[in-house]
Amino acid sequence: SQQGEEDPQALSIQEGENATMNCSYKTSINNLQWYRQNSGRGLVHLILIRSNEREKHSGRLRVTLDTSKKSSSLLITASRAADTASYFCATSGSYIPTFGRGTSLIVHP
Amino acid sequence: DTAVSQTPKYLVTQMGNDKSIKCEQNLGHDTMYWYKQDSKKFLKIMFSYNNKELIINETVPNRFSPKSPDKAHLNLHINSLELGDSAVYFCASSQLSGADSGNTIYFGEGSWLTVV
Repeated sequence: SQQGEEDPQALSIQEGENATMNCSYKTSINNLQWYRQNSGRGLVHLILIRSNEREKHSGRLRVTLDTSKKSSSLLITASRAADTASYFCATSGSYIPTFGRGTSLIVHP
Repeated sequence: DTAVSQTPKYLVTQMGNDKSIKCEQNLGHDTMYWYKQDSKKFLKIMFSYNNKELIINETVPNRFSPKSPDKAHLNLHINSLELGDSAVYFCASSQLSGADSGNTIYFGEGSWLTVV
């Protein structure tokens, strides 16, 4: 399965701290995406990183990809209470992205 | 305007009933999906469908069937509902442009199904 697995399952931090989430996968991929899910809502795309890229930035988000280790990380800098959500990685070797169970992030004000 | 909309948002029904969840996307996308999210938040693909191909996750019971009257709609029909079908079902869509280009998925807000 190309399904990504996020780690940790839950993360609790204080506002202003950085949050790091990891994703591991098993087979070769063309790209990896990160999504966010607020409680009771659908998933929203955050960022995509291609297999030939090592790092990508978008605002307070920084994503890294290590294809040799089959892993990716999502760093949220200077976290805010509004960042509280679940974060999912989606891996895509064919055209159907597959998801894991996400990392539940709680940012305390 | 909502890009991917699905109805109903909440559905409570008895075991054995047949129910449908409707989904519409106004993004002009070629491909639509149904995902199931269980109580542990695990998100699992059920179906992927465009006008050429239906891809079914082989673990999905045949009581579940997608029906697409046109490119903008993909409804989910569930027959003989079971307690274990209780979950959140997400409709989604994407503009299929090939694996190398990336494939961003746009999700609906989810339909909470509770089977009692």
